[in-house]
Amino acid sequence: DAKTTQPNSMESNEEEPVHLPCNHSTISGTDYIHWYRQLPSQGPEYVIHGLTSNVNNRMASLAIAEDRKSSTLILHRATLRDAAVYYCILRGLGYGNKLVFGAGTILRVKS
Amino acid sequence: EPEVTQTPSHQVTQMGQEVILRCVPISNHLYFYWYRQILGQKVEFLVSFYNNEISEKSEIFDDQFSVERPDGSNFTLKIRSTKLEDSAMYFCASSVAAVTDTQYFGPGTRLTVL
Repeated sequence: DAKTTQPNSMESNEEEPVHLPCNHSTISGTDYIHWYRQLPSQGPEYVIHGLTSNVNNRMASLAIAEDRKSSTLILHRATLRDAAVYYCILRGLGYGNKLVFGAGTILRVKS
Repeated sequence: EPEVTQTPSHQVTQMGQEVILRCVPISNHLYFYWYRQILGQKVEFLVSFYNNEISEKSEIFDDQFSVERPDGSNFTLKIRSTKLEDSAMYFCASSVAAVTDTQYFGPGTRLTVL
């Protein structure tokens, strides 16, 4: 199964940027890096994904290291609604269709 | 915006009883999934389904579990004889394509086995 390493928890102040790191040193050349999050008492939801280049969407930005062994999810201005568990997941032909969730990073946002 | 729906939101059952959890995936999606999350633990993959067949299943998905797409809209998970350890949140998900496509999750069904 795909291996990613994330910090157990992080804390942020409201309206400040948050950088959530993920290490994936065994990533292969065709693996995509996906991020999902799970708000309290809800199902997981897709945040963003990328392959090699940095990516932006309305929810977040994804910065991918040049060697692709790590990536960082960036929330530009954290809100209370962003308090959730964030999962970094590798996806590719070697992993089938399933999402393999680790423990993720619990993000706490203080007002 | 289209969304995955699940019913019921909470199901309470006695050990040994059969339960059926229901999901309505997003209408143009072709791949369907069930995951579960025991309280305080990780989200775990159970099964994926495509073209009326199971395409992949985990070790958790033993003979007590089955899935079905009985009509063009519903996708169901049946547990034949529930055990205490089946108590969990069960999430249905769907996607247009496989492998790297985004999966959209429903709100979940909380199953409590007494």
